[in-house]
Amino acid sequence: KAGVTQTPRYLIKTRGQQVTLSCSPISGHRSVSWYQQTPGQGLQFLFEYFSETQRNKGNFPGRFSGRQFSNSRSEMNVSTLELGDSALYLCASSFLQAGDTQYFGPGTRLTVL
Amino acid sequence: QQQVKQSPQSLIVQKGGISIINCAYENTAFDYFPWYQQFPGKGPALLIAIRPDVSEKKEGRFTISFNKSAKQFSLHIMDSQPGDSATYFCAATSSADGGRRALTFGSGTRLQVQP
Repeated sequence: KAGVTQTPRYLIKTRGQQVTLSCSPISGHRSVSWYQQTPGQGLQFLFEYFSETQRNKGNFPGRFSGRQFSNSRSEMNVSTLELGDSALYLCASSFLQAGDTQYFGPGTRLTVL
Repeated sequence: QQQVKQSPQSLIVQKGGISIINCAYENTAFDYFPWYQQFPGKGPALLIAIRPDVSEKKEGRFTISFNKSAKQFSLHIMDSQPGDSATYFCAATSSADGGRRALTFGSGTRLQVQP
């Protein structure tokens, strides 16, 4: 099976802009989670989608949002970008319920100038 | 507080030696404890995982030891190889909250295996 794919792999934006990142889960996986990875804060959970519904959300401001489509593909959006949003954004997919193995994509490296 | 504390922050081991990374958690609802390996420029890859109903799980050179009463778990890498040089993250999650899957990660351990 193909792994989790994320596009684009690299992105450079300026402050105030918005950005949309895309994630295609492993075929058959219905749960998609997003994480932010930074040197200072480590890996932090953003949100999780299952069957097009957001089931859980981490402690991030409302500028961070996401959605999931009927084919389980997911997008996350960050509006009004700030310098501190520079990070590696990781998407992980899993088959169904909690405790299932989560498989991570390679991430999208976002740089905000 | 759903925290997972990981130590050490960095580790240097000679080739053939044993690498040991420790994690401690606070939330007794956690019931799934995976370890991830991450190489530069890559996403984390699942290495091995354990549930609290067993005290040890071994897969090849990698072993997780789990101490439920102490709320601690550790990763042992036997016969460490230069190719094992990477950052290792412990994590934990709970199935008690209706199937949500937020992984709580430790801060990571940068392992360097010297030839």
